[in-house]
Amino acid sequence: QSALTQPASVSGSPGQSITISCTGTNSDIGSYNYVSWFQQHPGKAPKLMIYDVTNRPSGVSSRFSGSKSGITASLTISGLQAEDEADYYCTSYRSSGTLSWVFGGGTKLTVL
Amino acid sequence: EVQLEQSGAEVKKPGESLTISCETSGYKFANYWISWVRQMPGKGLEWVGRIDCSDSYVNYSPSFQGHVTLSVDTSITTAYLRWSSLKASDTAMYFCARSPSEYSTSADFWGQGTLVSVSS
Repeated sequence: QSALTQPASVSGSPGQSITISCTGTNSDIGSYNYVSWFQQHPGKAPKLMIYDVTNRPSGVSSRFSGSKSGITASLTISGLQAEDEADYYCTSYRSSGTLSWVFGGGTKLTVL
Repeated sequence: EVQLEQSGAEVKKPGESLTISCETSGYKFANYWISWVRQMPGKGLEWVGRIDCSDSYVNYSPSFQGHVTLSVDTSITTAYLRWSSLKASDTAMYFCARSPSEYSTSADFWGQGTLVSVSS
């Protein structure tokens, strides 16, 4: 079961904006608005940052935003802060064969 | 307060069986699904499968189908992940997480993780 495709790493300086892409297929991102983004710091459980493509859970900074075009979803972080340095994972509902979730391979964000 | 509390770290030998748990509190158990996610050492997140806590309907990832079993005990609002015969390649951190519907990937609360080590 192929994972969604994310860049292995991105970086930015404090105050800058970065975007992480997540490319899937017409069986997942292209057909459903069930895309979520998770942040994971080392040794910690993942934290939900964006759900249903564009929605932010209560308590998540408005600096985090999500979007989707075709088979590619994106997470944008504006006004980068040191504490944003973490791994970020996208996930989508997938309907090919077994109804399931599929994760991206993860992107390491480095704040320079 | 919503909480998902997972059982402690386990050290097992290949071929042994194991069940780990995810005890929930602070919300209506039957209104949510519980997913399990694997993270092998130094690697990314992988979806294992999910269970509907209202009726125990289960979906498994093809990668895990036939190797693990998901279940729930609604009387104690606890979810379980079970292996009947562990392999060394099962060594990983396993997380449980709740989501509100069959389709949603919005896992808003997670357990702290259970580290499973399998070695001869």
